[in-house]
This record gives sequence, C-alpha cells and structure tokens, in this order.
Amino acid sequence: EVQLLESGGGLVQPGGSLRLSCAASGFTFSSYAMSWVRQAPGKGLEWVSSISDSDIDAYHADSVKGRFTISRDNSKNTVYLQMNSLRAEDTAIYYCATVAQYCSRASCHHLYYFDFWGQGTLVTVSS
Amino acid sequence: EIVLTQSPATLSLSPGERATLSCRASQSVSTYLAWYQQKPGQAPRLLIYDASDRATDIPARFSGSGSGTDFTLTISSLEPEDFAVYYCQQRTNWSTWTFGQGTKVEIK
Repeated sequence: EVQLLESGGGLVQPGGSLRLSCAASGFTFSSYAMSWVRQAPGKGLEWVSSISDSDIDAYHADSVKGRFTISRDNSKNTVYLQMNSLRAEDTAIYYCATVAQYCSRASCHHLYYFDFWGQGTLVTVSS
Repeated sequence: EIVLTQSPATLSLSPGERATLSCRASQSVSTYLAWYQQKPGQAPRLLIYDASDRATDIPARFSGSGSGTDFTLTISSLEPEDFAVYYCQQRTNWSTWTFGQGTKVEIK
C-alpha cells in the first residue's frame, strides 16, 4: 500500500523558514517523480514544485521560485520542500504526491497527473 | 499558460440524481486531463486520467469524456459519499501544472 506521510509544518513568522518532509513507503520511491501541491484555507489546489526520480531536475511555480527548493533523498525514501522567505500568502496545507508513470519493458515515462497523495501538513505564516 | 475553467462553481443535487461537471481549457490539451475528488478534511483523490480512464477502485458511476478544450465529469447517480469538491488538472510542461478552481457538489 502506497503511503506518503508529510511532516514539518507549523507556525512561522513572515520572512522565516521551514523544511517539510514527505516519507514514502509501499512503492519503489527512487523510480517516481514527486511533487508538492498546496491548498490555502478555503481555496483550490495549487501546484508548487516537482522533482524527477533521479533528483536531476527540479521545477517550481513562479509564486515560489527563488524561495522554495524541492529535493529528495532516495536512500531515505523522502522528498523535502525547503521554504525560505515565507509570506502570509504561503499559508496552506502542503500535500506531497506521486507523479504517475507508465512503464514499458524498456523504460518508465512520467505522466502529467498525481496518482497518490499524502494527508498534508499545515503551514501557517503569521506574526 | 493553459487556464482551466470549471463550471458550475456549485452544483446542488439530491442523492440518486445525475451530476454533470464541466472543465474548459483555454487551449487544446488533447486528452491529457485528470479529475480529482476532495472531501472535507481529506487529501484529493485521483478519479479520472486521460480524460476518460477511471483510476484504480473508482466506481463505474464516475465517467469522464471530452478532448481538446471541453471535458465533462459525469456521476450517473449520486451516492451520499460523492458530495465533495471536484478539480480538473493538466500539465503544459514540467514547470506548469494547473488545476481548475473546482466544482462543489452539495446536497440539495
């Protein structure tokens, strides 16, 4: 059974930093691209960041570029989101999610949607 | 950037009724569109991918259709557990993943 467990959320002052973690189990973590998606209180879903399976390629939404960094440790089956220079508008539940993939005998290809989600961790940015 | 517009914002229906949700893309996404269900206090759950393929363990009352710019999620007969918010989603490239703003299906 796929499990994604986020941690590291909490209350932080504007301008502060937090590091979120997402511990994965139940699948071959090192072969999956991973993402973070957030949801502000009472609002819709917003993609934040994605990282390739090999940790070579990382991508961030314009709203967090230069402030947030996604990374992963395949030896620990964990993906991280380092969040710096936090703003009130970063207040949200942060979900980690697997990027779906299709595998043939020769190789696997990352797809465009998220097939498994964690339960999320709440980040509140407030003074 | 491709924008996804969902309608209506809220759908008020009774159990047993048919629900029809719309998602319109600002430009063609072929059939690369997914739908998610989110219940209060829970994470989103994948329902449909590639516009019309049901994800694992999703009941047959959920169906998706469409291609290009116009897509529909249909729930043939609403069960009590289906009252939730539904989002469509696509990816233009690895730096641009977008969701619609959501449609809330509420009990009438």
